[in-house]
Amino acid sequence: DQQVKQNSPSLSVQEGRISILNCDYTNSMFDYFLWYKKYPAEGPTFLISISSIKDKNEDGRFTVFLNKSAKHLSLHIVPSQPGDSAVYFCAAINAGNMLTFGGGTRLMVKP
Amino acid sequence: DTAVSQTPKYLVTQMGNDKSIKCEQNLGHDTMYWYKQDSKKFLKIMFSYNNKELIINETVPNRFSPKSPDKAHLNLHINSLELGDSAVYFCASAKDRVSGNTIYFGEGSWLTVV
Repeated sequence: DQQVKQNSPSLSVQEGRISILNCDYTNSMFDYFLWYKKYPAEGPTFLISISSIKDKNEDGRFTVFLNKSAKHLSLHIVPSQPGDSAVYFCAAINAGNMLTFGGGTRLMVKP
Repeated sequence: DTAVSQTPKYLVTQMGNDKSIKCEQNLGHDTMYWYKQDSKKFLKIMFSYNNKELIINETVPNRFSPKSPDKAHLNLHINSLELGDSAVYFCASAKDRVSGNTIYFGEGSWLTVV
């Protein structure tokens, strides 16, 4: 039972355009959401997070939006750069301090 | 200076063997984790551990056991390895409450069971 889902396994975007990565969750007890970026042969690295009491968090080119009623969050990258090409994992935390990951979306930014 | 280090990075072993993957963190964190990334690339929690409490994902077979000699180490022992155990295993550590960028992952240990 996947409580966190990323329905798009891959996304291809032109350099300079916006990348939008989506994530859906089913557990209403999640109170914090995170995005991780992963390059091949490396561990995931933290990118940006958002608390369930907010609907938007921005950090430079990265913005995360949270729609609690729809149980949906998205990561916007603008402008996209070739170095952003990686696998992006959405993750959620509940009170038990356990991270639950989505299946990941492979982003390819074309020069 | 690596914050979370795992050894070995690559491990190929035969079915039925017992193996261990070591993990060390030098961040002074209280909580450590083991995650498994399976063939479908899903990252799934296996264990969460601190000095006080071990939380086990109930779907993890009891052939897998975490061992923590001290707060900076959480090793993963796997008995009677099976083909389906082939995966990438990630160690991670965090402060008591993961609230942002306070969780750090190791680079992963690629286990192949033949």
